[in-house]
Amino acid sequence: GENVEQHPSTLSVQEGDSAVIKCTYSDSASNYFPWYKQELGKRPQLIIDIRSNVGEKKDQRIAVTLNKTAKHFSLHITETQPEDSAVYFCAASRGNNDMRFGAGTRLTVKP
Amino acid sequence: NAGVTQTPKFQVLKTGQSMTLQCAQDMNHNYMYWYRQDPGMGLRLIHYSVGAGITDQGEVPNGYNVSRSTTEDFPLRLLSAAPSQTSVYFCASSYKGGSGNTIYFGEGSWLTVV
Repeated sequence: GENVEQHPSTLSVQEGDSAVIKCTYSDSASNYFPWYKQELGKRPQLIIDIRSNVGEKKDQRIAVTLNKTAKHFSLHITETQPEDSAVYFCAASRGNNDMRFGAGTRLTVKP
Repeated sequence: NAGVTQTPKFQVLKTGQSMTLQCAQDMNHNYMYWYRQDPGMGLRLIHYSVGAGITDQGEVPNGYNVSRSTTEDFPLRLLSAAPSQTSVYFCASSYKGGSGNTIYFGEGSWLTVV
């Protein structure tokens, strides 16, 4: 089955700096790569996703890039703000019942 | 729309006890899931259902049962609780399977087994 590895496990940045979280996956048939944000004590919520036929997707300060050949994808957050502090999870899937999540990255944005 | 609702939010069980985590969704979603979240391990799928009357195992099904008698409800049963089942449990749903269908999570249930 699919195996997703996520790095780093913790990330601390100054407000205004950029943050990058990287994930690798093992199953070349995976074609959907969502990113979820989980604030402390809250539920995970989808923030952005990308399909395998697209190399990059942006939504305001958030972007995701996908390299199918290398089987890795990354989340980029620019101009970070304290409210970006949370745990971020990447995931990879061929279908929803086989979605595999990374272990998570705890992002801290220091004011 | 309440979305995905799960109860209880917090529960303490003794080893060997059984309990049911309730989950309901009002979005008319076909797919429902139960995940557990443990530190450093992300979200792992316990069981899922693609529609009423149909359930299947995920990554970590041992010690858990599910049923799906209606589209709305998907309870998770712990048969004989063990300390290893101490975790945060999330119920989730999506309209259908296949890539690109957003999974919506409930607020989570914190379970401690002593």
